Amino acid sequence: DAEITQSPRHKITETGRQVTLACHQTWNHNNMFWYRQDLGHGLRLIHYSYGVQDTNKGEVSDGYSVSRSNTEDLPLTLESAASSQTSVYFCASSESGTTQETQYFGPGTRLLVL
Amino acid sequence: AQSVTQPDIHITVSEGASLELRCNYSYGATPYLFWYVQSPGQGLQLLLKYFSGDTLVQGIKGFEAEFKRSQSSFNLRKPSVHWSDAAEYFCAVGADSGTYKYIFGTGTRLKVLA
Repeated sequence: DAEITQSPRHKITETGRQVTLACHQTWNHNNMFWYRQDLGHGLRLIHYSYGVQDTNKGEVSDGYSVSRSNTEDLPLTLESAASSQTSVYFCASSESGTTQETQYFGPGTRLLVL
Repeated sequence: AQSVTQPDIHITVSEGASLELRCNYSYGATPYLFWYVQSPGQGLQLLLKYFSGDTLVQGIKGFEAEFKRSQSSFNLRKPSVHWSDAAEYFCAVGADSGTYKYIFGTGTRLKVLA
């Protein structure tokens, strides 16, 4: 069965370190998204991609970057981790089409920045 | 700009009782609307979606939602709640057509009393 996976599931890091969160999907979807989930804010979009070599900033992109070298993967990098980036991170993917396609979510990565 | 409001942060119901979770949206055109459920420690699972047509939408796990354009609402309902329905529920609206992005509400946490 097709799926979307994230690794690691839990991560503890220190302020100032670079951290990369992996997202891998086997749906063969063109669209991929990264969200962060914080109490009282729901899910907020960090970055998204519509295909290989395409990346776009979401509403809370400062301090984060992504790259899309193939269809299956969209790693999220925290260039210099800050305590404000402690959060739960979700990756999602969807097909490209003529309407709003359903997004399928990964299980999440819980990140703690000390 | 599009927005989604879930006015209830927490809701507690007894097992077997009916449930209604509120969702109001702001969007100029016909919206694409979604309800997702997040069980503790899990990713988001799609319950149902509305694109067009019949305004009463049936979903998985016995949930339904009704689109009311006049009230800008897309409330989620279930006639009889089970203990396993305890989770967080998110309403989302598709952003501008062709962007494939969602805007999420802040979520409603459901507690079910035995």
